[in-house]
Amino acid sequence: EPEVTQTPSHQVTQMGQEVILRCVPISNHLYFYWYRQILGQKVEFLVSFYNNEISEKSEIFDDQFSVERPDGSNFTLKIRSTKLEDSAMYFCASRGDTFNYGYTFGSGTRLTVV
Amino acid sequence: DAKTTQPPSMDCAEGRAANLPCNHSTISGNEYVYWYRQIHSQGPQYIIHGLKNNETNEMASLIITEDRKSSTLILPHATLRDTAVYYCIVSPLTGANSKLTFGKGITLSVRP
Repeated sequence: EPEVTQTPSHQVTQMGQEVILRCVPISNHLYFYWYRQILGQKVEFLVSFYNNEISEKSEIFDDQFSVERPDGSNFTLKIRSTKLEDSAMYFCASRGDTFNYGYTFGSGTRLTVV
Repeated sequence: DAKTTQPPSMDCAEGRAANLPCNHSTISGNEYVYWYRQIHSQGPQYIIHGLKNNETNEMASLIITEDRKSSTLILPHATLRDTAVYYCIVSPLTGANSKLTFGKGITLSVRP
């Protein structure tokens, strides 16, 4: 079964530093997403991306966040200046144009800001 | 906000069927019912989806009421590995603005 791959699995960074979370979506998928989950809370939508542009973003996705699909295979989430409250699990997801397995999620990156 | 309502938790005995209810009284005509689950802090895992007909796959069955205002996910023979948070989500199938909006889900505990 195809998988969404996320790297790294765990990243620790100092407050104020930039981080880039990486995702390799399923190869024939067209829609890409980032979600986050703060410990003990629900999974929250951050942003969706289609046709090389942002389709929708949530209130959480402020100017500190950006997404990019630089080479047709990777999908990245950048946080420019991390804050303590950015500590969370970040999940990447992708889906195709037809419904096979629905939205497929990666196993996540645990970001810890110290 | 999530358009579904689920009880916060339930449990069942290993080997028995687990019936997880979900209310979605404001579901729109183009919205599907999706079920996902999350084990510990792993990524959400797709289980099943449906529009109005009952659906079955190797993991579960989905029963949707005729008025589509509620549904039930059935795990026919629950195992300890089925202990997880289960999310019922309604969303359009396609479209650039389609996305999954997660609620709190229902925590299923399977006991030996």
